[in-house]
Amino acid sequence: NAGVMQNPRHLVRRRGQEARLRCSPMKGHSHVYWYRQLPEEGLKFMVYLQKENIIDESGMPKERFSAEFPKEGPSILRIQQVVRGDSAAYFCASSARGQGKYEQYFGPGTRLTVT
Amino acid sequence: TQLLEQSPQFLSIQEGENLTVYCNSSSVFSSLQWYRQEPGEGPVLLVTVVTGGEVKKLKRLTFQFGDARKDSSLHITAAQPGDTGLYLCAGVPGSGGSNYKLTFGKGTLLTVNP
Repeated sequence: NAGVMQNPRHLVRRRGQEARLRCSPMKGHSHVYWYRQLPEEGLKFMVYLQKENIIDESGMPKERFSAEFPKEGPSILRIQQVVRGDSAAYFCASSARGQGKYEQYFGPGTRLTVT
Repeated sequence: TQLLEQSPQFLSIQEGENLTVYCNSSSVFSSLQWYRQEPGEGPVLLVTVVTGGEVKKLKRLTFQFGDARKDSSLHITAAQPGDTGLYLCAGVPGSGGSNYKLTFGKGTLLTVNP
């Protein structure tokens, strides 16, 4: 009975490199959300995706960040040309549906460190 | 400005004591959720409250949603070291519209000493 899975759990990148974070939702869930947790701050919404569709990316930085949830395979959060300020914990959550009463279940997160 | 204010920010108590943590806002929320997060892990959902005045119990944990749906509290009876963690409240502001964009408080870091 697998929950939300994320990998890698820890990722170290040098400034200017690309970071790819993967998320496999809970079985039976087709809605995926990405959140970022910066030191001393609460979790902040980044993007909401369904299979092959970006529903709401209002929390995503306009540049360097992108997300996808293909028909097959995990959801990917991609950060190009990382900078030190991108260092944070990135969490993926999934839910069975996006409307009405719903509950989001979180994965263990990916801790990104930019050196 | 934080939409959801949690208090206290830090709480250290002895095993067996009771405690209450609070989650307050000036905005109405269609629902509020409480999570517990341990170091190096993701938030784990404890409960969802959706009706003003609602009270839910989960073993030694009691959750209450304010009548006006602007605040919530979490009461723990006879705290145990296993209750140690960061308690987060989260909700969807408003009574309609997008109901997936969770807003989180910064959390209450609870330490229960044996």
